Amino acid sequence: DAKTTQPPSMDCAEGRAANLPCNHSTISGNEYVYWYRQIHSQGPQYIIHGLKNNETNEMASLIITEDRKSSTLILPHATLRDTAVYYCIPFGNEKLTFGTGTRLTIIP
Amino acid sequence: KAGVTQTPRYLIKTRGQQVTLSCSPISGHRSVSWYQQTPGQGLQFLFEYFSETQRNKGNFPGRFSGRQFSNSRSEMNVSTLELGDSALYLCASSLWGGMADTQYFGPGTRLTVL
Repeated sequence: DAKTTQPPSMDCAEGRAANLPCNHSTISGNEYVYWYRQIHSQGPQYIIHGLKNNETNEMASLIITEDRKSSTLILPHATLRDTAVYYCIPFGNEKLTFGTGTRLTIIP
Repeated sequence: KAGVTQTPRYLIKTRGQQVTLSCSPISGHRSVSWYQQTPGQGLQFLFEYFSETQRNKGNFPGRFSGRQFSNSRSEMNVSTLELGDSALYLCASSLWGGMADTQYFGPGTRLTVL
């Protein structure tokens, strides 16, 4: 399984864009980059995923570098409800391997 | 479409007992995976079922077992409970569990072993 490196914690002001980086330099060619978040004691929530191209949905945007060694999740207008632990996961086979993630705190 | 449901949401057991947790996947999803989450070990994969067959297994002792029914509902069982089994048990479902098939998680069952 590919290893990931994420900052352990980040703060973002409410209403601003939150940019969460992830390094996955050992990702293999057939692995997608998945992002999940987990609000305290709840099940992880799927956010977005991508393979090579940048992706956008109603929750977030995902920017993947051309060499696929890193990516950035962007929450365009962060709200207090976006406070959570965010996980970046290279995923190709049946199981998700969660790292320690980034604890994002939205500041009022 | 209803999400993944897990029952019960909370459970308290004592050492040596056994427990059965239930998971109902999203309608149409045939793959169900189970995960254990503890503060010390994080989120760890237990096993995955598809069409009533266990296809993938994590590194957990044989006390942890599971099964899947023909309607894709799944149960996991933990026998001879230990204090260290206290955790949040999460179930996730996906369409077929194949390459990059998005998994959707339930709310989890919080198990406390006394």
